[in-house]
Amino acid sequence: AQSVSQHNHHVILSEAASLELGCNYSYGGTVNLFWYVQYPGQHLQLLLKYFSGDPLVKGIKGFEAEFIKSKFSFNLRKPSVQWSDTAEYFCAAFGGYNKLIFGAGTRLAVHP
Amino acid sequence: DTAVSQTPKYLVTQMGNDKSIKCEQNLGHDTMYWYKQDSKKFLKIMFSYNNKELIINETVPNRFSPKSPDKAHLNLHINSLELGDSAVYFCASSQRGDQPQHFGDGTRLSIL
Repeated sequence: AQSVSQHNHHVILSEAASLELGCNYSYGGTVNLFWYVQYPGQHLQLLLKYFSGDPLVKGIKGFEAEFIKSKFSFNLRKPSVQWSDTAEYFCAAFGGYNKLIFGAGTRLAVHP
Repeated sequence: DTAVSQTPKYLVTQMGNDKSIKCEQNLGHDTMYWYKQDSKKFLKIMFSYNNKELIINETVPNRFSPKSPDKAHLNLHINSLELGDSAVYFCASSQRGDQPQHFGDGTRLSIL
């Protein structure tokens, strides 16, 4: 079955710490991968996407993600987080038939 | 200009009532979606439409009836509301099913 797994449900960091959020996908078709962010009380916004080419993808707000095909992974990273990065982060993969499959989300809390 | 707009933002009603949520996108996208986000932030697709045609119906109870009068609008009507329908409902759109989706601000539905 198509699925997206996010390993960390809750992550708590101090400002300036480095961040890595894990994501694994199982879909074997077209590999279109996404990371979305949802700030408290807001809608989902696209952070970055991978369709093909360079497996290291840079997104907005200093985020990047690396696609590793052999590990079916698409982990999100940021070298130094800020308090304003406190949000819910969703990994998603194109699941065929006109839909994205979302992971369960990771809640990130950044303390000043 | 808001790209994907949905109304109302909040909906508080009693069990058994019928309610509708409206969604409009001005991005010229061909595909629109409805998602349900539960209290644990899990995001699940409900419906997907492409050019007014239903593409995906993810085993949603038939109390939920989407309607797409044109490709810029996708409304959601819910009959006989139940307590379990309490959630945030997000509308989204994309150019194609494998492309990034743009989300509306959500409608928080609370059933008393």
